[in-house]
Amino acid sequence: DVKVTQSSRYLVKRTGEKVFLECVQDMDHENMFWYRQDPGLGLRLIYFSYDVKMKEKGDIPEGYSVSREKKERFSLILESASTNQTSMYLCASSGDRLSYEQYFGPGTRLTVT
Amino acid sequence: GQNIDQPTEMTATEGAIVQINCTYQTSGFNGLFWYQQHAGEAPTFLSYNVLDGLEEKGRFSSFLSRSKGYSYLLLKELQMKDSASYLCAVRDTGGFKTIFGAGTRLFVKA
Repeated sequence: DVKVTQSSRYLVKRTGEKVFLECVQDMDHENMFWYRQDPGLGLRLIYFSYDVKMKEKGDIPEGYSVSREKKERFSLILESASTNQTSMYLCASSGDRLSYEQYFGPGTRLTVT
Repeated sequence: GQNIDQPTEMTATEGAIVQINCTYQTSGFNGLFWYQQHAGEAPTFLSYNVLDGLEEKGRFSSFLSRSKGYSYLLLKELQMKDSASYLCAVRDTGGFKTIFGAGTRLFVKA
């Protein structure tokens, strides 16, 4: 069974704080993704990575950065949290074939006050 | 631009059949996925279509017409546990970037 885990289910941070969200997968997947999910907007891709130390911007990268130092771990960093980054953050991973689906972690509900 | 459209909400009766439509306009196409997401949980994979036609998997089937930019998910013999959001997603060409629709919330009533 593929397992994708995220460091926290719920997180409350203050405006201006630096926030780290961590994601770990145990299936040796090449590709990893960070999304945010907001009501009415669906899942929006922030960043993805197709290999260690490789990253590509998604549709909404502003205010975020990522790090992938090891194949199994993909971190999302909010450099200076703002209230409009309050959201559900979902990490996912997938294998190296285009037909392969994404496996999602349980999500982190981040509230920035 | 990139756009995926699905109805926001649908209601159906236990035991019935429901069809959830998805239309897409994307710059590239490398397959269409359907995911199920129960409230408060992560999305889970249901189906994948890359060629035109119908793919059947138990009570769930998914159809694709690439020329029309159209797909549907068909759920038969509805059960209460099928109450969830259903996400249509298109994989772009040139990589693994996937664009998701906003999802269709399905309510199954007794």
